[in-house]
Amino acid sequence: QVQLQESGPGLAKPSETLSLTCTVSGYSISGGYFWGWIRQPPGKGLEWIGSINHSGRTYFNPSLKSRVTISVDTSKNQFSLKLNSLTAADTALYYCARGNSGSSSWFDTWGQGTLVTVSS
Amino acid sequence: QSVLTQPPSASGTPGQRVTISCSGSSSNVGSNTVNWYQQLPGTAPRLLIYTNNQRPSGVPDRFSGSKSGTSASLAISGLQSEDEADYYCAVWDDSLNVVVFGGGSKLTVL
Repeated sequence: QVQLQESGPGLAKPSETLSLTCTVSGYSISGGYFWGWIRQPPGKGLEWIGSINHSGRTYFNPSLKSRVTISVDTSKNQFSLKLNSLTAADTALYYCARGNSGSSSWFDTWGQGTLVTVSS
Repeated sequence: QSVLTQPPSASGTPGQRVTISCSGSSSNVGSNTVNWYQQLPGTAPRLLIYTNNQRPSGVPDRFSGSKSGTSASLAISGLQSEDEADYYCAVWDDSLNVVVFGGGSKLTVL
């Protein structure tokens, strides 16, 4: 059974960089699929951030692309998100999920999410 | 403001049939497959319908999806109290080069 688990600090300061990691269990990232990040501000809807595959091919939301880095570490079966120049608008529940393509809205397995608050 | 338009709310009584619409354009719903997600309170989204009308294993057949032109719909028949949740449609947009989610529809079982 595939499981995903996000980890990272729950609090970040404005202008700083957020770093989150998603650890995958029950499936090897090298086996295929794309691995994505989606966020949800409190009380609001879902926003796709970007996706990556095992070889590092990435797709990003154009509205966030200049601030986002997504990387993969197949040896640890993890993928990571870095979001810089944080503002309060980046406060959200951040989910990692397994997708079937970089240009697809199909995500069949999600982590439980990790809340990130941006505040000084 | 999402490029996919969903009604913010929907409601029904137990046993009823409810539909939730998702209206898009030729660059998204009109040219790509639609997926639907169910988000129960305090939980992560769950893939409910994929490729317009397919159900993942474990999803009851009370849930069905359809697509026509630039609109898609999610139907829930035999409504149950545990269906109370937020429902989101999602699709790839060829013009914006982004995965877009609808604004979400909150379903209330009266």
